[in-house]
Amino acid sequence: NAGVTQTPKFQVLKTGQSMTLQCAQDMNHEYMSWYRQDPGMGLRLIHYSVGAGITDQGEVPNGYNVSRSTTEDFPLRLLSAAPSQTSVYFCASGGRGTSFYTFGSGTRLTVV
Amino acid sequence: AQSVAQPEDQVNVAEGNPLTVKCTYSVSGNPYLFWYVQYPNRGLQFLLKYITGDNLVKGSYGFEAEFNKSQTSFHLKKPSALVSDSALYFCAVRDTGNQVYFGTGTSLTVIP
Repeated sequence: NAGVTQTPKFQVLKTGQSMTLQCAQDMNHEYMSWYRQDPGMGLRLIHYSVGAGITDQGEVPNGYNVSRSTTEDFPLRLLSAAPSQTSVYFCASGGRGTSFYTFGSGTRLTVV
Repeated sequence: AQSVAQPEDQVNVAEGNPLTVKCTYSVSGNPYLFWYVQYPNRGLQFLLKYITGDNLVKGSYGFEAEFNKSQTSFHLKKPSALVSDSALYFCAVRDTGNQVYFGTGTSLTVIP
């Protein structure tokens, strides 16, 4: 099925560990974004990309890195996890021909 | 900067009654406005959008939204609520860079 695939669905990290959240889409969308969802704060934009090789910071980029080497993939890296990064992370994509975003099912991350 | 506000954290409505979920926005230029719905442990799903044209926009699952430029509002409505409509609803605005910013969400509970 076409859509946005996020892996893993769940992850527990220890403080200071690193990991990569994977995001892939098969709709040939130019735009891809990462959001984090926290209670009472809605979704906040972490990083986004408007095409392969192009990335930029969103509202809350600190502690996260991204790259976009292909149109399909947009991984999110946590270099040194902190408890404040405990959240649910969503990847989304959109194309020039569509005005709305398609979301993945999310990754629930706990940092202890 | 683009932003949206959802003034109600929680909305309760009896099954069969009309429902309204409120959203106000702040944008420069013409607004691109969206409503998304999130069911428990799921990603966000697109409901409807306003880009241009008629102020009353119809979307999925019988939902509609009314764009009011003078009040800078984009309230979500449904004539007759169903228990299955219980979910978290997000209003969103897209900026000129195609990035989408979300409100803090409104939890809708439809009471049988």
